[in-house]
Amino acid sequence: GAGVSQSPSNKVTEKGKDVELRCDPISGHTALYWYRQSLGQGLEFLIYFQGNSAPDKSGLPSDRFSAERTGGSVSTLTIQRTQQEDSAVYLCASSLFPREQFFGPGTRLTVL
Amino acid sequence: AQSVTQLGSHVSVSEGALVLLRCNYSSSVPPYLFWYVQYPNQGLQLLLKYTSAATLVKGINGFEAEFKKSETSFHLTKPSAHMSDAAEYFCAVSAQVGNEKLTFGTGTRLTIIP
Repeated sequence: GAGVSQSPSNKVTEKGKDVELRCDPISGHTALYWYRQSLGQGLEFLIYFQGNSAPDKSGLPSDRFSAERTGGSVSTLTIQRTQQEDSAVYLCASSLFPREQFFGPGTRLTVL
Repeated sequence: AQSVTQLGSHVSVSEGALVLLRCNYSSSVPPYLFWYVQYPNQGLQLLLKYTSAATLVKGINGFEAEFKKSETSFHLTKPSAHMSDAAEYFCAVSAQVGNEKLTFGTGTRLTIIP
């Protein structure tokens, strides 16, 4: 079966532009997580979805960041008015059973 | 609150030698513990996980880790290193109940010397 997929794989944008990053979890996985991997901060949790609701948004670094999940499946992470410090690899993971998250290949975001 | 500390950001071992990557955790609740591996330009792959069933956990590619509550440690070992083991390794912790978001260590880059 297919794993977690993310698109685009690479995104280059100019400072101040909005970007959308997409995550397609493994079919049937109810939990979905977004993480960010950057040189300065390492791997950080951003947001957790259970179904379509997000009980934990505590990792979103500012109100420029938002995410949604529709149909209990695809999730989109949106960053408004991008800044250079937003440059990072954004990773998505999904899980069905507890204690095992499957990660996608990530989206590398570069803000010029 | 939970955290993990990985000692040694870079570790080099000779091919065929023992691999030992260190991880210590801090958790206010019983933890789940994980080791993930990341190859260049790829996502994270689960190597093994501790979920309180057994303290010695065996994973993929010949890796294993032992949960030691008294030492708050979960070190990763492999008896004999292969060139293909060169990668970055992350230790992570999550709570046993509710939101299972992962808190990661800073990672250890493993280099294998031929």
